[in-house]
Amino acid sequence: GIQVEQSPPDLILQEGANSTLRCNFSDSVNNLQWFHQNPWGQLINLFYIPSGTKQNGRLSATTVATERYSLLYISSSQTTDSGVYFCAVAPSGYALNFGKGTSLLVTP
Amino acid sequence: DTGVSQDPRHKITKRGQNVTFRCDPISEHNRLYWYRQTLGQGPEFLTYFQNEAQLEKSRLLSDRFSAERPKGSFSTLEIQRTEQGDSAMYLCASSPPRGPEQFFGPGTRLTVL
Repeated sequence: GIQVEQSPPDLILQEGANSTLRCNFSDSVNNLQWFHQNPWGQLINLFYIPSGTKQNGRLSATTVATERYSLLYISSSQTTDSGVYFCAVAPSGYALNFGKGTSLLVTP
Repeated sequence: DTGVSQDPRHKITKRGQNVTFRCDPISEHNRLYWYRQTLGQGPEFLTYFQNEAQLEKSRLLSDRFSAERPKGSFSTLEIQRTEQGDSAMYLCASSPPRGPEQFFGPGTRLTVL
């Protein structure tokens, strides 16, 4: 099956710092989503981005489908950004394959 | 527009008991998915419905697991003869007819003692 690798696995930032999270995948995909999982386990949709670039406030994402990677940028981080960030892809059909996530802690 | 809802949010059961979870998708979403997430891991796909038809099942879905979506609206996931290894967060998602983006519910956390 398709492999999804996220880096870094863990990240600690001070409030106000910027960060870049990376997702590499091993095959072409028709769906790529970024999620933020809050401490209660809820997966919150950040971006649906199988290709191209999108921005939403302090967050932006870029997927280069031909090179099989996606990047999630977080600018001016806040403590509420803490949690686990997942990249998930679907090579065909609809089942999402998730990476192991990046655990982010933003300190005051 | 209400999101995906799941019930119950938490379930504690003894090994060997049967449990059933319910998922209500976003209105007018015709596709519904079940995933399982264990501690420290990303969610893993279990099964997928388009309307009432179960179109895809993971090999993770053993014979003790069964899922239904009888009228193409809500879905149930039943686990028979629960084992301690079934302890996990069970997540439901839905997506609309117009595209593949999936939206997740809050999950049901199962603990098997």
